[in-house]
Amino acid sequence: AQKITQTQPGMFVQEKEAVTLDCTYDTSDPSYGLFWYKQPSSGEMIFLIYQGSYDQQNATEGRYSLNFQKARKSANLVISASQLGDSAMYFCAMMTGNQFYFGTGTSLTVIP
Amino acid sequence: SAVISQKPSRDICQRGTSLTIQCQVDSQVTMMFWYRQQPGQSLTLIATANQGSEATYESGFVIDKFPISRPNLTFSTLTVSNMSPEDSSIYLCSVKRLAGGPTDTQYFGPGTRLTVL
Repeated sequence: AQKITQTQPGMFVQEKEAVTLDCTYDTSDPSYGLFWYKQPSSGEMIFLIYQGSYDQQNATEGRYSLNFQKARKSANLVISASQLGDSAMYFCAMMTGNQFYFGTGTSLTVIP
Repeated sequence: SAVISQKPSRDICQRGTSLTIQCQVDSQVTMMFWYRQQPGQSLTLIATANQGSEATYESGFVIDKFPISRPNLTFSTLTVSNMSPEDSSIYLCSVKRLAGGPTDTQYFGPGTRLTVL
């Protein structure tokens, strides 16, 4: 069964606007971690933000925030004030039972 | 935070040859991982590199094809053996639990982009 689902293969956003990248997950383990990574065309995977399953508040890191809705099993990434340098692939991931699962990714293009 | 480097950053190889990719971390880490990312795909875990013992391979990956070394807590190598065009991918090493980072977060090296002709 697929553990991480990203339903948006590609997204476009106007520069300086906010964008939400969707991610849903599936686990019966009460303890898990959720992650977002950015992969520019250079190929490196850059860690952006983390949300623990027991965290009460949504994680934020600068322009990145994670909209964590536990009952709906969703962990959407919100990027505020988009910049041209935000154009990249974005991967949602989950750590549970000592296994790391990646989604299929969303390609984000920021339009000037 | 620690720095993870990989060498080479990219290579173009002939089929039937082998390539060894190096991963160096500037601090000691317990767990190191090797991933493959085929073109347009997500990441697939190849194996966990264990210091002082054999690597643990995921289903579909075997030691003869992807031998791994982990001689110490800061270094690992992955060899892609007897390459075919299907091995053309980005190969990434990652480490877990760097000092100052959230527990269980994996941090990645810059990747090695391999093209097999």
